[in-house]
Amino acid sequence: NAGVTQTPKFQVLKTGQSMTLQCAQDMNHEYMSWYRQDPGMGLRLIHYSVGAGITDQGEVPNGYNVSRSTTEDFPLRLLSAAPSQTSVYFCAARTGRTEAFFGQGTRLTVV
Amino acid sequence: GENVEQHPSTLSVQEGDSAVIKCTYSDSASNYFPWYKQELGKGPQLIIDIRSNVGEKKDQRIAVTLNKTAKHFSLHITETQPEDSAVYFCAASIASGGSYIPTFGRGTSLIVHP
Repeated sequence: NAGVTQTPKFQVLKTGQSMTLQCAQDMNHEYMSWYRQDPGMGLRLIHYSVGAGITDQGEVPNGYNVSRSTTEDFPLRLLSAAPSQTSVYFCAARTGRTEAFFGQGTRLTVV
Repeated sequence: GENVEQHPSTLSVQEGDSAVIKCTYSDSASNYFPWYKQELGKGPQLIIDIRSNVGEKKDQRIAVTLNKTAKHFSLHITETQPEDSAVYFCAASIASGGSYIPTFGRGTSLIVHP
């Protein structure tokens, strides 16, 4: 039982490039979410999904897209990377009222 | 929207002492309050939570208290151990469209000295 798996762990992008951060869970949880974490800040919600085919925006959705075609996968797409998107990204799966399982994170640097 | 303030930003204690981390929230509609522990290089780990209809909850050395009137809640760790050293985050959640949307505090770095 791997829980929530994120890939890659580290990534460096040039401004304007696009990429997809992968997130997969093997616990069959309906609710998944993406957060970003910046130094000295708490986690900020980017997008979330309450089930396959259903997604919604969180607090900081601009510059990011998501889709949820299966229960297991919830990829996060950066359309045109900007230095302001340099951050650590966490994917999470929820049971009950809150995120209970987080991935190990993806550290993204945009130069 | 909801705003969560967390204090202190850094807390240094001796092994065996107690540690208290406090959070305040602004939206009286928030009704669910989880706490997370994040070790270096890892994702956050849910350690305890409390609902708005409960004033206190304990789990071994960890307890959380909630004062709805004052809109603040606290994490209490007793008999601290070096392995308790981590960053702790509070969150306040509001029900929205059938889901609970959390707003996180900025975190408290707890250092437990042996």
